[in-house]
Amino acid sequence: AQSVTQPDIHITVSEGASLELRCNYSYGATPYLFWYVQSPGQGLQLLLKYFSGDTLVQGIKGFEAEFKRSQSSFNLRKPSVHWSDAAEYFCAVAGTGGFKTIFGAGTRLFVKA
Amino acid sequence: EAGVVQSPRYKIIEKKQPVAFWCNPISGHNTLYWYRQNLGQGPELLIRYENEEAVDDSQLPKDRFSAERLKGVDSTLKIQPAELGDSAVYLCASSLVDGGTDTQYFGPGTRLTVL
Repeated sequence: AQSVTQPDIHITVSEGASLELRCNYSYGATPYLFWYVQSPGQGLQLLLKYFSGDTLVQGIKGFEAEFKRSQSSFNLRKPSVHWSDAAEYFCAVAGTGGFKTIFGAGTRLFVKA
Repeated sequence: EAGVVQSPRYKIIEKKQPVAFWCNPISGHNTLYWYRQNLGQGPELLIRYENEEAVDDSQLPKDRFSAERLKGVDSTLKIQPAELGDSAVYLCASSLVDGGTDTQYFGPGTRLTVL
């Protein structure tokens, strides 16, 4: 069965510092992988997705993620965090066609001045 | 392009009362999803529609939950009667399957509080 683990419930980084949010997945075949961001009171916004091809994926708002099959990971990174990046981040995995999407429990990002 | 629209944004009801949520997907999107998001957790799929057909409702508690998507556009999710444990955010998402892949776009959600 497919599953997603986000090991960090919350992370605090200083504004301007780099960020890495961890995501590990379990899936028997090549997964479809996503990162979403959710601000308070809002729905989920897609940051980036990986379906195939280049394992380093660029997304919106300066985020990128790297698919590492050997580690079953899809970590999200940003070189310099802005205060507006404070939100909840969800990693998700889906099977062929992306239909059965399983979300992780989320990592809440706090940004300190 | 307008995004996924949901209403109401907030709803407070007493237990045993009925409640309904409405979703208008992005124009042209043939697939529609309803998710439930409990506090501190990720969304969990309740039901998925392809056009008018519910193709995955395995996680929908059918004793009290129902959904419909008339004419393959708007959708309504209903709970009757509501229980305390139904308090959550109900998210609607839509997508257009393209080349065998599916990227979902989410609405802002309806926050339900059952007292």
